[in-house]
This record gives sequence, C-alpha cells and structure tokens, in this order.
Amino acid sequence: EADIYQTPRYLVIGTGKKITLECSQTMGHDKMYWYQQDPGMELHLIHYSYGVNSTEKGDLSSESTVSRIRTEHFPLTLESARPSHTSQYLCASSRNKYQETQYFGPGTRLLVL
Amino acid sequence: AQKVTQAQTEISVVEKEDVTLDCVYETRDTTYYLFWYKQPPSGELVFLIRRNSFDEQNEISGRYSWNFQKSTSSFNFTITASQVVDSAVYFCALSPYNNNDMRFGAGTRLTVKP
Repeated sequence: EADIYQTPRYLVIGTGKKITLECSQTMGHDKMYWYQQDPGMELHLIHYSYGVNSTEKGDLSSESTVSRIRTEHFPLTLESARPSHTSQYLCASSRNKYQETQYFGPGTRLLVL
Repeated sequence: AQKVTQAQTEISVVEKEDVTLDCVYETRDTTYYLFWYKQPPSGELVFLIRRNSFDEQNEISGRYSWNFQKSTSSFNFTITASQVVDSAVYFCALSPYNNNDMRFGAGTRLTVKP
C-alpha cells in the first residue's frame, strides 16, 4: 500500500485565481511526478522531479509550475487558473530513477469556472 | 519512440464472465518494464503488476492473470469470473530500463454488469 497524499481532492475555483495542489509521500521516494488526466482518459506527464531541487517538464506542455524543496513534498501551482485547466491531476512517486513502480495518490479534480 | 496501444476502448461483460484486456507496445529498447494499473471510479490509480522484458513467464494472482509475449509485443490481462467490483478503467504502461518515464495507453473501460 502506497502512502501518497493529495489535497484537496476536489476544487472548484474561479478564473484568474492562483491555486496550489499539494502532494506528499511518506515513503522516502526520490522521484515524483505530476500527471494530467481527463476523466478515464490517457495520462499525460506534465512535471517530474529526480529529487530535492530538481524539476523537469514532462511531455505535455503545462502552464503550471512545481517545486521540490523537501523530498516528501511536490506541490503544483497554477498562477492564474483558466477553464482549460479543468482536469484531474494525479501525483505519483517512485523509489529511484530506474524502472521502479510508480505509486499514485488519489488525485485532485479541478474545475475552473 | 515508445508507444502503448489499448485498442479496446470499452468492454462490457456480465458478472462471472472471463474478460481479456489487450495491450500492444512498441519500443526500441531491449530492456523495459510493463505495468498494469486499475483506476476505479474514485479516481486513484492502483498498481497491479510489473513485468520486466526478460521474464516472459505468465503470472496468475487470484482471478487475475497476465500473458506476456515478446514475439508479438503484447502484455494482455485476463480477469477470470469477473465481478462488479472489477468495473474500472485499466491502463497498460511501458517504462524503458534507463529511466522511469512511463508511457501509458489510452485505457480500457471495463463494465461488469450484475
């Protein structure tokens, strides 16, 4: 059982607001990821991190930013939310760089009005 | 380039039927890992299995079984005697050996009716 947490689980917010989606894991995993997913559809990698102070952009271009100041914490920020950001955001972590299983959090469902 | 194809978008079965979810992949790597995840309506992805490219043994875990055939680049997943709780979207994924970047298929939505 993976110990990875995301808050909030659901968020409804107006256009132009700044939001931060939280992701924390207690497994001491080095690598963390953010995926964007429309419900039941393919997952798209938007950000990942190899460890503290490391952040990389994923395959899907995103207006969001991330930070990794602590191993266990990988928040995602949208400076100005837009309706096109409406989606589910899934956070994941894995033990090290190579071929390790990614474990996922419960997700945050974001609706921007 | 890595690619995972799950040709079945949706499958509907009646409880107790067996069902197979197909997964075909493309990769130039000789060493890689394949995964299956389950996504129930609650939204989280639940890890089911990881298989490395050197191990073509089929695996069985309760009602779940996986058939890995390197010759056809397939990693199919069978649920025996399906149950309503098996209703979910199932994702197949591929990860090359030298990094963790995982490529997901588009998913197959399985509905098991009582």
